[in-house]
Amino acid sequence: QQPVQSPQAVILREGEDAVINCSSSKALYSVHWYRQKHGEAPVFLMILLKGGEQKGHDKISASFNEKKQQSSLYLTASQLSYSGTYFCGTVHLNNNAGNMLTFGGGTRLMVKP
Amino acid sequence: EPEVTQTPSHQVTQMGQEVILRCVPISNHLYFYWYRQILGQKVEFLVSFYNNEISEKSEIFDDQFSVERPDGSNFTLKIRSTKLEDSAMYFCASSARLGYEGSPLHFGNGTRLTVT
Repeated sequence: QQPVQSPQAVILREGEDAVINCSSSKALYSVHWYRQKHGEAPVFLMILLKGGEQKGHDKISASFNEKKQQSSLYLTASQLSYSGTYFCGTVHLNNNAGNMLTFGGGTRLMVKP
Repeated sequence: EPEVTQTPSHQVTQMGQEVILRCVPISNHLYFYWYRQILGQKVEFLVSFYNNEISEKSEIFDDQFSVERPDGSNFTLKIRSTKLEDSAMYFCASSARLGYEGSPLHFGNGTRLTVT
């Protein structure tokens, strides 16, 4: 079952912040975040493995609340290069092989000058 | 940096024809995947493959689809009798470890399949 992302789309001015949420109805083992630019392949951003884990690099960070089965991606002081579609991908505890990453519907982010 | 390569970049075929999409995963990766993305929509899981067998597959991956690792480097997706609704971008991906172990997926640039 695919995770649910919100919002579906967001428009920002350069320098503004955004939060993208990802939630699942099933227990999660890990959450991945990827960014896809138009016409390109998804590119890995980060993985969160433990409940409550928070990771980040540069001005993009993420949290994972295992109990709530949710993850959030935080983009601070957004840059034009942040534009794209952000996908969360989830691995569930009851996967037999733990080898199925299911993506959410995506959040389209546009950063304007 | 090593990358996943896919060929062809664009394939046009007639309905009912068979197509084979090819991928060369990153050389030391052990887990391989196919995803598809209909234009403007989400990235949908098709199948994962490890140790020369399918480890997971989705409902989309029906009898019309098959995967193979014919040699030590290539990983292929075959669609036996294409339908109009198979038109999509097909992404191959590979990872060093299992998803639950926190290994990222590395995606190829995709093959755009157009069924006419």
